[in-house]
Amino acid sequence: GQNIDQPTEMTATEGAIVQINCTYQTSGFNGLFWYQQHAGEAPTFLSYNVLDGLEEKGRFSSFLSRSKGYSYLLLKELQMKDSASYLCAVHNTDKLIFGTGTRLQVFP
Amino acid sequence: EAQVTQNPRYLITVTGKKLTVTCSQNMNHEYMSWYRQDPGLGLRQIYYSMNVEVTDKGDVPEGYKVSRKEKRNFPLILESPSPNQTSLYFCASSLTRESVGEQYFGPGTRLTVT
Repeated sequence: GQNIDQPTEMTATEGAIVQINCTYQTSGFNGLFWYQQHAGEAPTFLSYNVLDGLEEKGRFSSFLSRSKGYSYLLLKELQMKDSASYLCAVHNTDKLIFGTGTRLQVFP
Repeated sequence: EAQVTQNPRYLITVTGKKLTVTCSQNMNHEYMSWYRQDPGLGLRQIYYSMNVEVTDKGDVPEGYKVSRKEKRNFPLILESPSPNQTSLYFCASSLTRESVGEQYFGPGTRLTVT
């Protein structure tokens, strides 16, 4: 079957660093993607990994280990506007399979 | 402006009354998809289309129909809505099926079936 796991909720302080983990077990794998979704809004694409290693994109970085079925999203220098849900998704053949998302709350 | 539009944004209806949610994209994307989002269950794919006249079931297709007669439009049809179809619905598109990981999402349609 297909299984993607993320923590349900996390909290952090403004200016800090937070790591959101994602583990997956899927029948196929063409890449792992991270989306951000603010409450009541549509998801927006953040980053992706196809090969093992770290991809950096400004304050956001994402890491992938295919052998471990593991990824994380690293957010640095947290800002209040980073309070949102972060969705991990695996590209499997013709589909994108989403985890249930991690709700991040950033406090001043 | 490149975008995916959905209409209506909010809809309250009664059990059994057929409804259609429209979705349109202006980016000439081949791949389009419908998702529903429910608390604790995340985004689940209902149907997808890899091109005109090509549609396939996603993970939760029961009770839904779609069509893809034109590249830009991908309407979602609920022939006989039931309360368990109360949900937040998103339409999304990507350039090709290979780029499905980088989808553009519409603003969402909040549907309530009483």
